[in-house]
Amino acid sequence: NAGVTQTPKFRVLKTGQSMTLLCAQDMNHEYMYWYRQDPGMGLRLIHYSVGEGTTAKGEVPDGYNVSRLKKQNFLLGLESAAPSQTSVYFCASSSIPALTHTEAFFGQGTRLTVV
Amino acid sequence: KNQVEQSPQSLIILEGKNCTLQCNYTVSPFSNLRWYKQDTGRGPVSLTIMTFSENTKSNGRYTATLDADTKQSSLHITASQLSDSASYICVVSAKAAGNKLTFGGGTRVLVKP
Repeated sequence: NAGVTQTPKFRVLKTGQSMTLLCAQDMNHEYMYWYRQDPGMGLRLIHYSVGEGTTAKGEVPDGYNVSRLKKQNFLLGLESAAPSQTSVYFCASSSIPALTHTEAFFGQGTRLTVV
Repeated sequence: KNQVEQSPQSLIILEGKNCTLQCNYTVSPFSNLRWYKQDTGRGPVSLTIMTFSENTKSNGRYTATLDADTKQSSLHITASQLSDSASYICVVSAKAAGNKLTFGGGTRVLVKP
């Protein structure tokens, strides 16, 4: 009964390093999302996916890439980390959103610090 | 631009007291409005979801209201408990591909004994 699982939970990177955040969901959801949460601001959408093999840009996509090779996994990559990418990253998933009461489930978050 | 504004940014209440959080939005076309509770260091967890036709919904001691005409929502916490200390986030969904959610900045609630 895992729901949405993010790995790692914490990471410290040096400027210019690369890394990949993994999100896995076991609810057979079509839609998956990556958000970042910064102090005093609402969650902002980085990228999202409406199904296996598809990705789309969200509100703040610059500096990030994503892949959805398998339905249950959504990867977020930072090719060259910058201090401005220090944030808490949340993954979420939902079933087909045409249903007005579609719930979105969130992972526990990944706290990333870029020094 | 779709926006969700919450007030107050933070509040402190005594255990057992009630409080009301406010949410104003400009998201269009409106699909649904959600209230989430986010404990420190955790992901948001849904409290309520309301569509255009629903003007009130309860989940235990949490009661959400929606006025789709004025584009306002409120979350009322009754008989607060220490475990209610958290951030409460208003999220509005637009009828668009990807079920895009617009998040408010949240209201941080601290319940003191």
